[in-house]
Amino acid sequence: ENVLTQSPGTLSLSPGERAILSCRASQSVYNNNLAWYQQKPGQAPRLLISGASSRATGIPDRFSGSGSGTDFTLTISRLESEDFAVYYCQQYGSLPRTFGQGTKLEIK
Amino acid sequence: EVQLVESGGGLVQPGGSLRLSCVASGFTFSNYWMRWIRQAPGKGLEWVANIKPDGSEKYYVDSVKGRFTISRDNTKNSLSLQMSSLRAEDTAVYYCARDTGTFDYWGQGTPVTVSS
Repeated sequence: ENVLTQSPGTLSLSPGERAILSCRASQSVYNNNLAWYQQKPGQAPRLLISGASSRATGIPDRFSGSGSGTDFTLTISRLESEDFAVYYCQQYGSLPRTFGQGTKLEIK
Repeated sequence: EVQLVESGGGLVQPGGSLRLSCVASGFTFSNYWMRWIRQAPGKGLEWVANIKPDGSEKYYVDSVKGRFTISRDNTKNSLSLQMSSLRAEDTAVYYCARDTGTFDYWGQGTPVTVSS
């Protein structure tokens, strides 16, 4: 299976700063079928990005995804208070679908 | 508006059984793969099982094979997960999700605790 490794495990930043989250796959992700999700405490995950770079409906443009092959990045250009959460990447280029272990974005 | 509403979670003893349900609305349920995904306390996301739109294909993570059964009733827009021989490591919040490769809609989750 395609193992996804996210880094860092925890990222401590202040509102207004830029966040860069990484997701590395053990094998190339077919067709760059890589998604990002945001999860806040007590809530279900929410789809942010699909196809490595396409924002889901209603997702603010401060969220952007990039990358290809085995290396992908989620960038949040200017952090707002509601962005502090856990972020997961997920690949859907091969079976089984797999998730990364998550990056916790916390307020510094 | 797409909605997924789970129910059926609770406290169960090791070796016991539980049936989770998920009722869908706001989309044509019979056109979509559906999936159960769980999250153990303080842990990440793990897919449990998924099912083809017509119910003819079902897949399970190795750790639940032979113990869990996924099913659906397209006439009632409902998805189910029958869980038996439950273990402490099955303790988690269980989410149903619409499966389009990505998981674009999720329910609010139903908690399952396996403990004596």
